Amino acid sequence: SQTIHQWPATLVQPVGSPLSLECTVEGTSNPNLYWYRQAAGRGLQLLFYSVGIGQISSEVPQNLSASRPQDRQFILSSKKLLLSDSGFYLCAWRKADYGYTFGSGTRLTVV
Amino acid sequence: AQSVTQLGSHVSVSEGALVLLRCNYSSSVPPYLFWYVQYPNQGLQLLLKYTTGATLVKGINGFEAEFKKSETSFHLTKPSAHMSDAAEYFCAVSDPWGNKLVFGAGTILRVKS
Repeated sequence: SQTIHQWPATLVQPVGSPLSLECTVEGTSNPNLYWYRQAAGRGLQLLFYSVGIGQISSEVPQNLSASRPQDRQFILSSKKLLLSDSGFYLCAWRKADYGYTFGSGTRLTVV
Repeated sequence: AQSVTQLGSHVSVSEGALVLLRCNYSSSVPPYLFWYVQYPNQGLQLLLKYTTGATLVKGINGFEAEFKKSETSFHLTKPSAHMSDAAEYFCAVSDPWGNKLVFGAGTILRVKS
């Protein structure tokens, strides 16, 4: 069966520090992968999506970047975190029947 | 472009009462519609989805939703609320190719004993 792993679960980082969040999917090949951010009271905002290795689409201009170095690996990064980067980050992958499966999320607090 | 509006950021019901969470969508192509539930500090779990076919969709935990094209709505209902239903609920829409999933702002459901 397919599973999605996301880590770390929680992270506290100082302003100006770098960020790397990792997401991996098991049990499938060539999935569409997504990064969402959830800010308090603001729902989920699509940040990036990828339809294949090295293919990244950015939905909103921001302080973050994404990479897909392997078929089932999706990484969210920042060179210098801002306070406004705090939030709950969710990785997801899409199944062929249009269902999306989400990871358990990373709670990022920038201090 | 697609968008979703969830009416009511907070909904409070008594245990055993009807749950109704409202969702209206905007889409220039036939929409695929979803409801997800999120418990605190957890990921999202799919409750139900509508793609094509029957407009009344049944999901997990006794929830169901009806796709009404004329009203551009996809409201979520449950006949009798349970304490364990307390969570945040998200309505979402995608195009038929499923390349992007756009979420509403969410509705927090509170269930009173």
